[in-house]
Amino acid sequence: GENVEQHPSTLSVQEGDSAVIKCTYSDSASNYFPWYKQELGKRPQLIIDIRSNVGEKKDQRIAVTLNKTAKHFSLHITETQPEDSAVYFCAASGKSGGGADGLTFGKGTHLIIQP
Amino acid sequence: DAGITQSPRYKITETGRQVTLMCHQTWSHSYMFWYRQDLGHGLRLIYYSAAADITDKGEVPDGYVVSRSKTENFPLTLESATRSQTSVYFCASSPLGASGTGELFFGEGSRLTVL
Repeated sequence: GENVEQHPSTLSVQEGDSAVIKCTYSDSASNYFPWYKQELGKRPQLIIDIRSNVGEKKDQRIAVTLNKTAKHFSLHITETQPEDSAVYFCAASGKSGGGADGLTFGKGTHLIIQP
Repeated sequence: DAGITQSPRYKITETGRQVTLMCHQTWSHSYMFWYRQDLGHGLRLIYYSAAADITDKGEVPDGYVVSRSKTENFPLTLESATRSQTSVYFCASSPLGASGTGELFFGEGSRLTVL
């Protein structure tokens, strides 16, 4: 089944600096790559996604890039703000263990914005 | 618009007891999912359902049972709880499955502790 690796597990950046989180996936059939943000004690919520026919997508301060050949995709956050502090999960749509039609998630990155 | 709700939000039980976590959505989404979230493991798919009366295993189904007699409900049952099932459980729904590249809408989570 699909395997998604996410790095780093923890990322600390100064407020105003940029943050980059990277993920790799194993299933070449994956065609959808969302990113979810989870604030402490809250539910995960979609912040941006990209499909396999697109190389890059931007939404204000966040952007995602996809390299299908290398099977990796990244989340970029510019001009970081305190409210960006959260755990970020990448995911891929390849079949998970058992062939399930559900997203396979990375293990998460705890982003800490230092004032 | 209630969206997707889970109950109970917090549950403490003992090893060997049966526990049922409830999930209800008001959007009439076809797909529903159960994930568990553990530190260091991210979100792992337990079971999913593509429609009423259709369910299938995810990555970590052992020890769990699901049913979906109505589109809006997707209960998760731990038949004989074990300490390793202590976790935060998230229910999610989607108008499309992962292969249809649809956003997952998560419930608030149910924190289960097995003593």
